[in-house]
Amino acid sequence: DGGITQSPKYLFRKEGQNVTLSCEQNLNHDAMYWYRQDPGQGLRLIYYSQIVNDFQKGDIAEGYSVSREKKESFPLTVTSAQKNPTAFYLCASALAGSTETQYFGPGTRLLVL
Amino acid sequence: GDSVTQMEGPVTLSEEACLTINCTYTATGYPSLFWYVQYPGEGLQLLLKATKADDKGSNKGFEATYRKETTSFHLEKGSVQVSDSAVYFCALFNQAGTALIFGKGTTLSVSS
Repeated sequence: DGGITQSPKYLFRKEGQNVTLSCEQNLNHDAMYWYRQDPGQGLRLIYYSQIVNDFQKGDIAEGYSVSREKKESFPLTVTSAQKNPTAFYLCASALAGSTETQYFGPGTRLLVL
Repeated sequence: GDSVTQMEGPVTLSEEACLTINCTYTATGYPSLFWYVQYPGEGLQLLLKATKADDKGSNKGFEATYRKETTSFHLEKGSVQVSDSAVYFCALFNQAGTALIFGKGTTLSVSS
């Protein structure tokens, strides 16, 4: 089955700790995205990548980092500089030339201990 | 900048009632418009989309028409089911062509 997988489903972070959220897709999509969702809020774009080895900051990139070494993978690291990391994180992907139609993974909920 | 405004929820309906969730947008030009649905604890699923003025997107009994005169894209369904209970997000594809801009979401709760 083709799709987007995110792991883990739940993740706990301690103070001062960096954590990495996984996003993998086997849809052969070129573009990948990370969004953050807070209660009662829409999704906000953290980072996006339209091609391997290239990525761009979104609206709320501070305190986050990404890499895009493989087409199918786009991991997100929440660094200790992100002071309010508790949120639901959603990864999405899209075909080049059709990036407006994005397909979402099941999400990772990050909680701070 | 581009933005999307949705009616605030929650919207509470009885089964078989009619549904309308209002969505208006602010954007340069005529962006593609979308409705996504999110079931509890899950990611977003694309429900329907429209890419130009007067287009009607439809799926699973839901419909929305792209109205450039009123910059709106209201979601409608003639008869809701309990299984339609979810959060609905209106979105547009931004002018830069880089990402989706979402509204805050509207929670729909349908009771039998």
